[in-house]
Amino acid sequence: QVQVVQSGAEVKKPGASVKVSCKASGYTSDNYAFTWVRQAPGQGLEWVAWISAYNADTNYAHVVQDRVTVTIDTSTSSAYMELRSLTSDDTAIYYCAGSGDSSLYFLEYWGQGTLVTVSS
Amino acid sequence: EIVLTQSPATLSLSPGQRATLSCRASQTIRNYLAWYQQKPGQTPRLLIYTASNRATGIPARFSGSGSGTDFTLTVSSLEPEDFAVYYCQHRSSWPFSFGPGTRLDL
Repeated sequence: QVQVVQSGAEVKKPGASVKVSCKASGYTSDNYAFTWVRQAPGQGLEWVAWISAYNADTNYAHVVQDRVTVTIDTSTSSAYMELRSLTSDDTAIYYCAGSGDSSLYFLEYWGQGTLVTVSS
Repeated sequence: EIVLTQSPATLSLSPGQRATLSCRASQTIRNYLAWYQQKPGQTPRLLIYTASNRATGIPARFSGSGSGTDFTLTVSSLEPEDFAVYYCQHRSSWPFSFGPGTRLDL
């Protein structure tokens, strides 16, 4: 069984950057990917970014693509999302979700979420 | 960019009733659609993938159907724990967006 664990809550000032990490345990090959999804307070789910463990290919949502970078360390099955030039609109819970063959790459294993608060 | 719309926004039903939730894509996504359930204060949970396949551990009362642009999630007989928000998501072309959600209320 795969488990995904994320780093802890962050409080940042407007204009700062934040880096959130997640680590998966239980994948037995590199045929998996991480997706970052965020949820602003009281709002729905917003797809943010994706990275493949197989070849480190990435894809980003248009709304953040100029400010976000996702990376992966396959030796530790860990992924990282850095979001720059933060504004109050970036305040949200950021989820990291793992996907692989068993769910045909839909989001089967979710981390616990990381609350990022942007406030002056 | 593909846009998903969900209807209704809110569905008020009682335990034992049948729930039918809809998701429509702005262009064809074949069967590359999933459904997730999110309860208050909890992480989303994958229910259905590729339109009609139940994820591991999901009860048989949950079923999905559809292809192309129109999809349905059906809960055959609602249990008290099924009252939650349901999201659809596609993975047909980047970005793999979510729908706005349907709130299933008691």
